Amino acid sequence: GQNIDQPTEMTATEGAIVQINCTYQTSGFNGLFWYQQHAGEAPTFLSYNVLDGLEEKGRFSSFLSRSKGYSYLLLKELQMKDSASYLCAVRDSNTGKLIFGQGTTLQVKP
Amino acid sequence: NAGVMQNPRHLVRRRGQEARLRCSPMKGHSHVYWYRQLPEEGLKFMVYLQKENIIDESGMPKERFSAEFPKEGPSILRIQQVVRGDSAAYFCASSPMPGTGGNTGELFFGEGSRLTVL
Repeated sequence: GQNIDQPTEMTATEGAIVQINCTYQTSGFNGLFWYQQHAGEAPTFLSYNVLDGLEEKGRFSSFLSRSKGYSYLLLKELQMKDSASYLCAVRDSNTGKLIFGQGTTLQVKP
Repeated sequence: NAGVMQNPRHLVRRRGQEARLRCSPMKGHSHVYWYRQLPEEGLKFMVYLQKENIIDESGMPKERFSAEFPKEGPSILRIQQVVRGDSAAYFCASSPMPGTGGNTGELFFGEGSRLTVL
């Protein structure tokens, strides 16, 4: 089976940098995804890692270490609109389904 | 290119009634996933389907819940004899075949159907 852990809540200041961690245990791994979800809205895709290392996309970066079962999402130059839930998800190599963690609710304060 | 379309957006049912939630995937997508989300919680996997085929239903309750993705038409998630605990947001997502055309196999989500059971 799969187990995905991420902090429940985080708070950061506008303009700062925040790192949201995700650890996972899985019987079969085929990629890790990060999604953003604003309250009452659909999740939207942010990033994908399948190999170890850092993937950068504008203000957002995501890192993966497969040997450690660890990923993080790094958000730079925080804006108020970044207040949302951030969902870590692992793709099961057997069936291709995505299994999500419980999400980290990020609150950005002025 | 329209995104993933779900309807109804909001559905109210009384205990014991049936709920039918529909999902039309993005054009060109052959895979559909259903997830359930309770307030302040993550997305819980329910079922993964291709046209006329259930790939993985390990997250579906054994009773009262069923899903289909027919050759023609939308995918349907059906909940019979609803109970108050079924109240949640139900999200549908679609993807092309992972690995085809260089894509990551990311899921594209609909806006969700919010079921309230009175």
